[in-house]
Amino acid sequence: SQQGEEDPQALSIQEGENATMNCSYKTSINNLQWYRQNSGRGLVHLILIRSNEREKHSGRLRVTLDTSKKSSSLLITASRAADTASYFCATDAGSSNTGKLIFGQGTTLQVKP
Amino acid sequence: DGGITQSPKYLFRKEGQNVTLSCEQNLNHDAMYWYRQDPGQGLRLIYYSQIVNDFQKGDIAEGYSVSREKKESFPLTVTSAQKNPTAFYLCASSMRMRNQPQHFGDGTRLSIL
Repeated sequence: SQQGEEDPQALSIQEGENATMNCSYKTSINNLQWYRQNSGRGLVHLILIRSNEREKHSGRLRVTLDTSKKSSSLLITASRAADTASYFCATDAGSSNTGKLIFGQGTTLQVKP
Repeated sequence: DGGITQSPKYLFRKEGQNVTLSCEQNLNHDAMYWYRQDPGQGLRLIYYSQIVNDFQKGDIAEGYSVSREKKESFPLTVTSAQKNPTAFYLCASSMRMRNQPQHFGDGTRLSIL
């Protein structure tokens, strides 16, 4: 079962522009995580935001979480060609200490040099 | 360096054949996971294990089997009962507590001959 719905499915921007990706989910959560996947590779963890947090920053990444709307957004500022990848949100769906995550279908980002 | 190693990178299966995908981690993580990723899709959980000698089915366990005899290792067998095994298989591990990120291997791509 898919917990997260990501929007848009694909995004193409010029280097230097900002990229915003959105994720919506259905059930209560303890945390929401964002991952990046380069083509043909495994996922790399970017950022984790807990349900009692509203915003978190890591370098050029900014994540927001609105639990009342069951949605999150990932903003990448001043994008670079190296940011070209697929980005996935994942939630723990409130599971108690199993560590299980439910992934969205991802947003494919292309950053043109 | 600590990490997760998946092997082989590419695997081909003949009709009626079982194949085993290897996953080894040296991160001292208790929890390990197997996911299946189809083209353009998110990850779906096959099996997960929170501790040695114990594992649970995920959302799409039919046609797959696992074992967890050692903390470091969590091999996945794709049996002949899995009629559509062509996919990208990802292994991950995490600490066994709430609000932890998962660490991924670089995947095994399985195809049918």
